[in-house]
Amino acid sequence: DQQVKQNSPSLSVQEGRISILNCDYTNSMFDYFLWYKKYPAEGPTFLISISSIKDKNEDGRFTVFLNKSAKHLSLHIVPSQPGDSAVYFCAASFTGTASKLTFGTGTRLQVTL
Amino acid sequence: GAGVSQSPRYKVAKRGQDVALRCDPISGHVSLFWYQQALGQGPEFLTYFQNEAQLDKSGLPSDRFFAERPEGSVSTLKIQRTQQEDSAVYLCASSLGQANTEAFFGQGTRLTVV
Repeated sequence: DQQVKQNSPSLSVQEGRISILNCDYTNSMFDYFLWYKKYPAEGPTFLISISSIKDKNEDGRFTVFLNKSAKHLSLHIVPSQPGDSAVYFCAASFTGTASKLTFGTGTRLQVTL
Repeated sequence: GAGVSQSPRYKVAKRGQDVALRCDPISGHVSLFWYQQALGQGPEFLTYFQNEAQLDKSGLPSDRFFAERPEGSVSTLKIQRTQQEDSAVYLCASSLGQANTEAFFGQGTRLTVV
């Protein structure tokens, strides 16, 4: 049973435009959410996180939005750059479990020139 | 080192062979995790250590999988009598161990069982 879902396996966006990556979760006990970025042949790299007490967290070009009632979060990248092309994983955890993460299946973002 | 280091990067094993995968976490990181990532999937939790104590091994798929971290630093994931379904990338991650802190991942070991 997939507790964290990324329903779009791929997304293509033009350079300079906004990229929006979506993630849904089913377990209402999750209270901490993270986005990881992964390049081929490398491990996932932490990008941004959000606690369930917030509905938005921003870091430079990256903003994560959390809608607890809908059990939905999204990652916005503005403006998108070719170097952003990678696979993005959404992950969720429970407070108190250190970093035991439940991952989605990933969305491959391609930023075109 | 500056990051999480895993070795070997690639391993080809014949079915039935035992393998050992090594993880060197970031110095001072209390928590260490192993994940398994099958092709086209997200990483899936295998096991978790806090220092040398294995606090959660609920994700280990069978008793052929064994992990240890005897001195609270380097960890080894051992797979006995490998099967083809064990083919995956095995990722190690470490963190400070405090709540809501991000985990830092190594590059992974790609295991192929033939």
